[in-house]
Amino acid sequence: ETGVTQTPRHLVMGMTNKKSLKCEQHLGHNAMYWYKQSAKKPLELMFVYNFKEQTENNSVPSRFSPECPNSSHLFLHLHTLQPEDSALYLCASSQVSAESTDTQYFGPGTRLTVL
Amino acid sequence: QQQVKQSPQSLIVQKGGISIINCAYENTAFDYFPWYQQFPGKGPALLIAIRPDVSEKKEGRFTISFNKSAKQFSLHIMDSQPGDSATYFCAATSGSRLTFGEGTQLTVNP
Repeated sequence: ETGVTQTPRHLVMGMTNKKSLKCEQHLGHNAMYWYKQSAKKPLELMFVYNFKEQTENNSVPSRFSPECPNSSHLFLHLHTLQPEDSALYLCASSQVSAESTDTQYFGPGTRLTVL
Repeated sequence: QQQVKQSPQSLIVQKGGISIINCAYENTAFDYFPWYQQFPGKGPALLIAIRPDVSEKKEGRFTISFNKSAKQFSLHIMDSQPGDSATYFCAATSGSRLTFGEGTQLTVNP
């Protein structure tokens, strides 16, 4: 595998289900991100992890719970979601240093539908 | 507050024409300006990027023009091809935060 991979690619869940999205980066980066992409809206940054530590939570509801066990893996745990949470969830990674931030590389996304 | 404004929302160009997408930003702390290309069912992919110390960067048919004083930058696609049909996002970075524009859906007719 190369780049950034995400599983599953598609997910349909009921509002009472619990599911998890998985992201893995094979680029040796030290930062990982979750974004939400809804139709006709800019990509919304949800969470940022630098060196496995969460550095940003962009006012995301608690029904979304991120987990970063190491610098290569990132999870997004989902529970009691709402239909308006249906969107494409994108994972990205980059190399961050004190001097600059490199380009963010994105995975293919998970298309989530909440019934 | 939308910190990166992108226009137009959609653009239709004939094959061989020039596609131009414009972006404006507000935050002077932004120090890196990438453009991403996204095809249906795929994640955004880096197309070309520029730092504010240069006014233009060209890679093949793609050129970024950057106007620091006006806080504007644009993407020009020369000799547009049907395979260029995709959604294009401008973005701006400050630290590890990447702020995206709203996207432009480009259609290149054969």
